[in-house]
Amino acid sequence: GDSVTQMEGPVTLSEEAFLTINCTYTATGYPSLFWYVQYPGEGLQLLLKATKADDKGSNKGFEATYRKETTSFHLEKGSVQVSDSAVYFCALSGGNFNKFYFGSGTKLNVKP
Amino acid sequence: GAVVSQHPSRVICKSGTSVKIECRSLDFQATTMFWYRQFPKKSLMLMATSNEGSKATYEQGVEKDKFLINHASLTLSTLTVTSAHPEDSSFYICSATRPGAGELFFGEGSRLTVL
Repeated sequence: GDSVTQMEGPVTLSEEAFLTINCTYTATGYPSLFWYVQYPGEGLQLLLKATKADDKGSNKGFEATYRKETTSFHLEKGSVQVSDSAVYFCALSGGNFNKFYFGSGTKLNVKP
Repeated sequence: GAVVSQHPSRVICKSGTSVKIECRSLDFQATTMFWYRQFPKKSLMLMATSNEGSKATYEQGVEKDKFLINHASLTLSTLTVTSAHPEDSSFYICSATRPGAGELFFGEGSRLTVL
């Protein structure tokens, strides 16, 4: 069945460091891919998404490219800030968005 | 953007009592809502898919008699944790899809503590 695997955390970085959080997926068909972010004490909110191969989602300096050949959707940011400290979830959904599958989440700690 | 709201955000109850959590879509009609449980290591577990006007579809391993889900209208789904025990203490999150939006919208989550 469909599933998402993302790197375990926590990831601890200094401010302005480069961030990569790996995410790979298994799916039948052509899923849409998402990154959600959960700030402390809050629910999840969409960070970015990509709906087809080679699409790049971007938001708030974060980027991820839908790579069908490697079944990956790695999250990157060139220079992280303390305010980026949160838990990041990779997710996929089938074509009709009737079911979403989430990775286990990666906690990011950014130190000043 | 679309907004999904949960209530209460925090609830503390005694063991053996029942607790109801509400999930509302504020600016769209949600024919389908999803209930997740978030465990201490942050993973999100899908508990059930709630369909307006019909019975919820529960994931394997989720007790439907313990976690009662009702989707009585296009804007409201409720999760009732019956005869709660300390092991039911968790963060419960609802979400909904809006037709054409192509993404999930999440509520703020409800933290349940069972004493």
